[in-house]
Amino acid sequence: DAGVIQSPRHEVTEMGQEVTLRCKPISGHDYLFWYRQTMMRGLELLIYFNNNVPIDDSGMPEDRFSAKMPNASFSTLKIQPSEPRDSAVYFCASSLISGGVYEQYFGPGTRLTVT
Amino acid sequence: QQQVKQSPQSLIVQKGGISIINCAYENTAFDYFPWYQQFPGKGPALLIAIRPDVSEKKEGRFTISFNKSAKQFSLHIMDSQPGDSATYFCAASKPPRNTGKLIFGQGTTLQVKP
Repeated sequence: DAGVIQSPRHEVTEMGQEVTLRCKPISGHDYLFWYRQTMMRGLELLIYFNNNVPIDDSGMPEDRFSAKMPNASFSTLKIQPSEPRDSAVYFCASSLISGGVYEQYFGPGTRLTVT
Repeated sequence: QQQVKQSPQSLIVQKGGISIINCAYENTAFDYFPWYQQFPGKGPALLIAIRPDVSEKKEGRFTISFNKSAKQFSLHIMDSQPGDSATYFCAASKPPRNTGKLIFGQGTTLQVKP
């Protein structure tokens, strides 16, 4: 298995532009998580899905952020309009809850820089 | 009550030494405590995990010690090696609904000097 795939790996954009981050979870996994990592705030859970349905979006910082999961093999995180404070590494992770084991498999991340 | 507090923020250890990272939690409903390891430029990866029905779990040079009454758990890295230099995150998860949602600590950056 190729693991969790994220694209792009790096994104540089100007303030006010729309940014779309993409994620392909591991085949067969039924949970998908979006995280943001910064030096100041550490690893923050933004939103997660179960069987393509958003379960908890309480970590989404504001209405500029939106996430979708149209099918079991694809999810997007969109920021519109982007701001410099959105600069961070965004991780997607997927998991399959089995026997109470909650291991999450993380992708390589997308490093977003908003100038 | 949802927080997991991790310390220290950074740690420098000589090669061959013991690295110890501590975490504390408040919510007694947590029932799964993993540690994740993250190398620069990579996503976190599961290192070792424990459930509260045991006090210790060992995998190679990595050991989790769990103190249920104190609501604390720690990661011990024996015979630390330069290749162990990474950021370590503790986490916790709880029922119901087997959500799989993990609450992460702030992370500890470990540097092992040769």
